[in-house]
Amino acid sequence: NAGVTQTPKFQVLKTGQSMTLQCAQDMNHNSMYWYRQDPGMGLRLIYYSASEGTTDKGEVPNGYNVSRLNKREFSLRLESAAPSQTSVYFCASGGGDHTEAFFGQGTRLTVV
Amino acid sequence: RKEVEQDPGPFNVPEGATVAFNCTYSNSASQSFFWYRQDCRKEPKLLMSVYSSGNEDGRFTAQLNRASQYISLLIRDSKLSDSATYLCVVSYNTDKLIFGTGTRLQVFP
Repeated sequence: NAGVTQTPKFQVLKTGQSMTLQCAQDMNHNSMYWYRQDPGMGLRLIYYSASEGTTDKGEVPNGYNVSRLNKREFSLRLESAAPSQTSVYFCASGGGDHTEAFFGQGTRLTVV
Repeated sequence: RKEVEQDPGPFNVPEGATVAFNCTYSNSASQSFFWYRQDCRKEPKLLMSVYSSGNEDGRFTAQLNRASQYISLLIRDSKLSDSATYLCVVSYNTDKLIFGTGTRLQVFP
């Protein structure tokens, strides 16, 4: 049982480049999340999706777009990467009804 | 003001000590509460949910005070393996999960 799978694990981008972070879960969860984690800032919610076909902004959505392709997949896109987006990105999924969230292993992104 | 606030620590305690962390939240509509544990450079993992009546899981006890809007985590008989960052999490309405910045615990021999 893979749980939550994120790709890639590491990425270096140049300023202005675009990329998509992929996330897939095999636990049949309704809710999926994208967080970024920076030193001293904890995990900050970028976007979340309470169900297939819906997405909502979190605390720090600027510079990002998301797509809930189906129940399994929730992708995060950086259209024009900036150094301020250097961070560790975590995808998570949850069963809804305020139950436990399971996290992927994270993507370490550096924008130079 | 952040929605969920924690003392970042670090808390440095000897093995066998009892240590407590508090977390405050600002949204009175918060419905569910959790403690997560995160090891260095790893993903967060659920430690325990927090129930209104308080709950215990082995050496770990969690309490919720809705009137004062805070939750706590008590760790008894600390082990070296308890060294990690402990994240307070609250959720409300559409399963939006909000994390605190985390409290770092270092247990020394």
